[in-house]
This record gives sequence, structure tokens and C-alpha cells, in this order.
Amino acid sequence: GAVVSQHPSRVICKSGTSVKIECRSLDFQATTMFWYRQFPKQSLMLMATSNEGSKATYEQGVEKDKFLINHASLTLSTLTVTSAHPEDSSFYICSASASSTDTQYFGPGTRLTVL
Amino acid sequence: GENVEQHPSTLSVQEGDSAVIKCTYSDSASNYFPWYKQELGKRPQLIIDIRSNVGEKKDQRIAVTLNKTAKHFSLHITETQPEDSAVYFCAASYTGGENKLTFGTGTQLKVEL
Repeated sequence: GAVVSQHPSRVICKSGTSVKIECRSLDFQATTMFWYRQFPKQSLMLMATSNEGSKATYEQGVEKDKFLINHASLTLSTLTVTSAHPEDSSFYICSASASSTDTQYFGPGTRLTVL
Repeated sequence: GENVEQHPSTLSVQEGDSAVIKCTYSDSASNYFPWYKQELGKRPQLIIDIRSNVGEKKDQRIAVTLNKTAKHFSLHITETQPEDSAVYFCAASYTGGENKLTFGTGTQLKVEL
């Protein structure tokens, strides 16, 4: 099956700093990538949809200036959490699909802890 | 937007028994319904999916049924094994647009020996 990687797997940072998370599709070209956030014992909540070469579409309530998304190529999307605060601590997961009708394949997730 | 409800939130079964998880969705335009299995701290893994042009799909011990009229779909796991223990999420999307998945709230399945 399709493989999606994410880096880093874990990151601990101080409040006020920025953190960049990378999502890569390793064996297919992803026209669309999605970013989710998952709090403990909760479901996955979509943050934004990212299409290669265009601006990301953010879900209601997600601050686009705080969560910067770049989808510069068909195999790479990045999420930058700017000026991170403890309430941003969460499990961030990306997914990728080759087309709008194709299955979404998930990355292994990034555990962000903001001190 | 789409809203997906999932029941039960927790489910305990004896090894070898069957497990059924049910989901309902609100948007009649949704036409793709995947099920994901997630172990603690790991990525969601697609276990089966169904599109709106069929009513049932089976893959070994796992089956999914879809009732478009009632807007509900169910996951059936037969002959459960301890390694089936995990959190299961249903989801729904409309593939004619951006294919954004709306997830259910999850079901913690525990298969007891």
C-alpha cells in the first residue's frame, strides 16, 4: 500500500517557539494532503486541506496565521505551528491521497509537547 | 457540513465472538465510507471501505454494510481475536469535492480472552 512518512515523530519545545512538521508521500504523488489534530482519547479533527501549488483551505476555527501550511511539491507538505503554546500540545497527523476519489493514507503522526 | 455519529463508544467481547460498530451520517451527498483501526499512539490504518454504489463489502473477517436511505453504515468483525483490540473510527466523505473525511467519535474495542 501507499506509504506516508512524517517527521519528526516527537518534538518538545518551549512556549513561544515555532515547530515545523513534514509530511511526505514516499511512493506516490499526492495531489492533496490533509492535516489533522487528535487530542487524547478523542477523534481526528481536520485542520486544513492542502493542494499542491495552491493555498491551503482551513477548517472553521483553525487560525491560518498560527498553523502555516505549505504544499510545495506533490510529495511534501509542511505544517508550521507558530508561537506554540501549551494548549497546542497534541498529536498531529497528516494524510495524503493521489486524487479526490482515492483513499487517504495516514502518516505516523507527530507528538507535539509545548512546555 | 457533514456530521458522523458512532456507537458504541466502548465495546467488550469475548474472543471468538462478533463485534458490530454502527455509524450514521447526515449529508446525503457523502459517497465514501472508510473504517480505520488505530492502536495507541499509532497512525490510523484503513481496514475496509465502501462506496455508495454497493450495499455490502467483505474482506475475510471484516465486513461493512451501507444503508444509503437510512444514512447509516456498520462494521462487522467476526471471530474476534485479541489483536483486534484497538480504537475503530468510521468516516464519511464526498469524493466529488475535496474528499474531506469527517470522522466518528471512535469505538474502543476490547477483545477478552
